[in-house]
Amino acid sequence: AQSVTQLGSHVSVSEGALVLLRCNYSSSVPPYLFWYVQYPNQGLQLLLKYTSAATLVKGINGFEAEFKKSETSFHLTKPSAHMSDAAEYFCALNYGGSQGNLIFGKGTKLSVKP
Amino acid sequence: DAGITQSPRHKVTETGTPVTLRCHQTENHRYMYWYRQDPGHGLRLIHYSYGVKDTDKGEVSDGYSVSRSKTEDFLLTLESATSSQTSVYFCAISEPGTGKEGYTFGSGTRLTVV
Repeated sequence: AQSVTQLGSHVSVSEGALVLLRCNYSSSVPPYLFWYVQYPNQGLQLLLKYTSAATLVKGINGFEAEFKKSETSFHLTKPSAHMSDAAEYFCALNYGGSQGNLIFGKGTKLSVKP
Repeated sequence: DAGITQSPRHKVTETGTPVTLRCHQTENHRYMYWYRQDPGHGLRLIHYSYGVKDTDKGEVSDGYSVSRSKTEDFLLTLESATSSQTSVYFCAISEPGTGKEGYTFGSGTRLTVV
């Protein structure tokens, strides 16, 4: 069965520090992987996606993620945190098929301290 | 929000009453989805639709029904609301394909059942 695990429900970093949000997946077929961001009282916005082209994927707002098949991971990083990065981040997996259903991790809430 | 609107944005209802949430899209996307978001659970799929009058159950469909009589509208009905259905509900849309596309989300409906 397909699944997504996000390690750490809350992550706190200082402004200017590295952001690392962890995502591991389980899939019996090559997956497509996504990171979404949710700002308070808003819907989910696509941050970036891996669709089997380049393993290092760049997204909006300076975020990037690297697909590592050997580690079944798709961790999200940003070199320098900004206060505006405070939000909840969701990793999601789509294993294809006509339904196109996304499976979500439980989310990681990122806090940025001044 | 890329042509996807949810209504109402907020609703308070009493236990045992029926409630209908509406999702309206202007993108002419074939697939539409209803998710609920709860702390510690991430997003869980309730029902989805792959065309007019074509719907299927998701992970947490008990107590919910859906209807899609037009491409642009996808309705979620709580037949008899319970306190456990207090949640934030998100609608999403996508085009059929290989799963690379990702979803576009609405802004959500915050439902409180008292």
